[in-house]
Amino acid sequence: GAVVSQHPSWVICKSGTSVKIECRSLDFQATTMFWYRQFPKQSLMLMATSNEGSKATYEQGVEKDKFLINHASLTLSTLTVTSAHPEDSSFYICSARGGENEKLFFGSGTQLSVL
Amino acid sequence: DQQVKQNSPSLSVQEGRISILNCDYTNSMFDYFLWYKKYPAEGPTFLISISSIKDKNEDGRFTVFLNKSAKHLSLHIVPSQPGDSAVYFCAAGDRYNFNKFYFGSGTKLNVKP
Repeated sequence: GAVVSQHPSWVICKSGTSVKIECRSLDFQATTMFWYRQFPKQSLMLMATSNEGSKATYEQGVEKDKFLINHASLTLSTLTVTSAHPEDSSFYICSARGGENEKLFFGSGTQLSVL
Repeated sequence: DQQVKQNSPSLSVQEGRISILNCDYTNSMFDYFLWYKKYPAEGPTFLISISSIKDKNEDGRFTVFLNKSAKHLSLHIVPSQPGDSAVYFCAAGDRYNFNKFYFGSGTKLNVKP
């Protein structure tokens, strides 16, 4: 079945630094990928829709300059958390539609801890 | 305002019995629904889906029921197995914006041996 790879799975960084998370569709082309954020014991919150070759569409309340999304190819989208602060610590997950019946497949997630 | 709600944060079931996980949504435009299973520190894994033209979809031990008038769906797992212990999320999307899915907060299922 369709596979989405997300890297890194865990990252710890100092406050003020930037962190890049990659999301790849391994065996299918994804013109659209999605980025979610999950706080403990809460639901997955859609942050933005990443469109290949164009600007990402952000959900209300998500800072565009804070969370930079680049979808440079049909198989890769990146999320960069710029000038990360402790409140950005969270579990970030990407997804892409593909495979049979265009289902939504998820990456394994990235646990970001900002010190 | 949360559009998809899972009001039971946890559920405990004996092995071999039925597990019923519930999900409610508020947006009548939603016409495609999915259930995902998630282990700690991993991304969600797709389980089963249903479109609004159906009221039931079955895949092995998993069955999803949709009640459009009540804006309610449920996931039945029969028989439940200890390996089913995980957090289950329901998600809903709408026909005009199919790409976007909204998730419930999840129900943690514990299947006791």
